[in-house]
Amino acid sequence: EDQVTQSPEALRLQEGESSSLNCSYTVSGLRGLFWYRQDPGKGPEFLFTLYSAGEEKEKERLKATLTKKESFLHITAPKPEDSATYLCAVEGGTSYGKLTFGQGTILTVHP
Amino acid sequence: GAGVSQSPRYKVTKRGQDVALRCDPISGHVSLYWYRQALGQGPEFLTYFNYEAQQDKSGLPNDRFSAERPEGSISTLTIQRTEQRDSAMYRCASSSGQSGVGELFFGEGSRLTVL
Repeated sequence: EDQVTQSPEALRLQEGESSSLNCSYTVSGLRGLFWYRQDPGKGPEFLFTLYSAGEEKEKERLKATLTKKESFLHITAPKPEDSATYLCAVEGGTSYGKLTFGQGTILTVHP
Repeated sequence: GAGVSQSPRYKVTKRGQDVALRCDPISGHVSLYWYRQALGQGPEFLTYFNYEAQQDKSGLPNDRFSAERPEGSISTLTIQRTEQRDSAMYRCASSSGQSGVGELFFGEGSRLTVL
């Protein structure tokens, strides 16, 4: 059974204070690891897909990296508008079409 | 519309009643997914379709839950004889099927409350 654990559960940063969110996973053959952003009252919004260890993706102030056991979402010089819940999900080799999500990290960036 | 549309946005029902939740995916999207999300948790997979074919229904909690997508576009998730534990946000998502299953476009969700 695929499993995803995210840490910390909540993170409070000052504007400009860089940090990282962690996603640890257990799958039988990783097809892909995905990061989503979710704003209050909204559906998750796709950010990145990572397929293999060593891969990195960037988008504005966000950078996602992947190892064989975990993924990190690095946030550089965050702004208040980056405040949201960040969700990590995996698709395992025996679970085609099915994403297993973590519980999310609630990020709050104070001005 | 440009996005995934779900209706109703809010549904309050009494225990024992049947409910039907509707999802209209992005036009042309081949794959359609149903997830359930509890407060403070990530979405939990229920089922998914490619065109009209239901590919995986392993996440449906029990036989009171069913889903269909008869013409390969709009989908309906039906819950029979609702129970209080069915209360949750039900989210539909679609994908083009060309960028991998992970690039999902989610709708705003249908919040179900069973009294």
